[in-house]
Amino acid sequence: EIVLTQSPGTLSLSPGERATLSCRASQSIWNTHLAWYQHKPGQAPRLLIYGTSNRATGISDRFSGSGSGTDFTLTINRLEPEDFAVYYCQHYGSSIFTFGPGTKVDFK
Amino acid sequence: EVQLVESGGNLVQPGKSLRLSCEGSGFNFKYYPMHWVRQAPGKGLEWVSGISWNSGSTVYADSVKGRFTISRDNAKNSVYLQMNSLRPEDTAFYYCAKGDSGDYVPFDNWGQGTLVTVSS
Repeated sequence: EIVLTQSPGTLSLSPGERATLSCRASQSIWNTHLAWYQHKPGQAPRLLIYGTSNRATGISDRFSGSGSGTDFTLTINRLEPEDFAVYYCQHYGSSIFTFGPGTKVDFK
Repeated sequence: EVQLVESGGNLVQPGKSLRLSCEGSGFNFKYYPMHWVRQAPGKGLEWVSGISWNSGSTVYADSVKGRFTISRDNAKNSVYLQMNSLRPEDTAFYYCAKGDSGDYVPFDNWGQGTLVTVSS
């Protein structure tokens, strides 16, 4: 079973700054099977990125994904107030759909 | 617009059962895999169970295998989660999520969640 770890646990930034979030898999995974989600308190989680680097419908181009093998990155450029949330990576390449523990992006 | 609406969450005693429902609209429900994901208080997202478009395949997290059963009724645009032998650690918001089309696919739409509390 693939285990995902995310770092840092919390990222404290100001609006306008860039956020760089890391997701590491316990073994190499296909790029096509890595997604990122945004989750705000009291709201439904939202798909941001699928297949490592493809933005989901309606997602701002300030969000970008990259990576391969075991190391993947979500970058959020020019943080806006609505971007402060928890972000999860997910592997969906097997019958077990694993989420990472999440990175919280909060106000500095 | 895709909508997923969960229902059935409640306060239940340990060892008891509960059935969650999720009704989808705004898309052709019968063609898509569906999943349940939960979030315990102060914790992250945990995938619970998934079912293929035609109910031919069901999968479960180890933490619920043998206790939870996922099912769907495409005529009612609904997916269900039967939860038996509930434990306090099953306390969480339970989200219904729609899979994109295909086999190994991300979850492209989610419901708002329903709260299950397991406590005596």
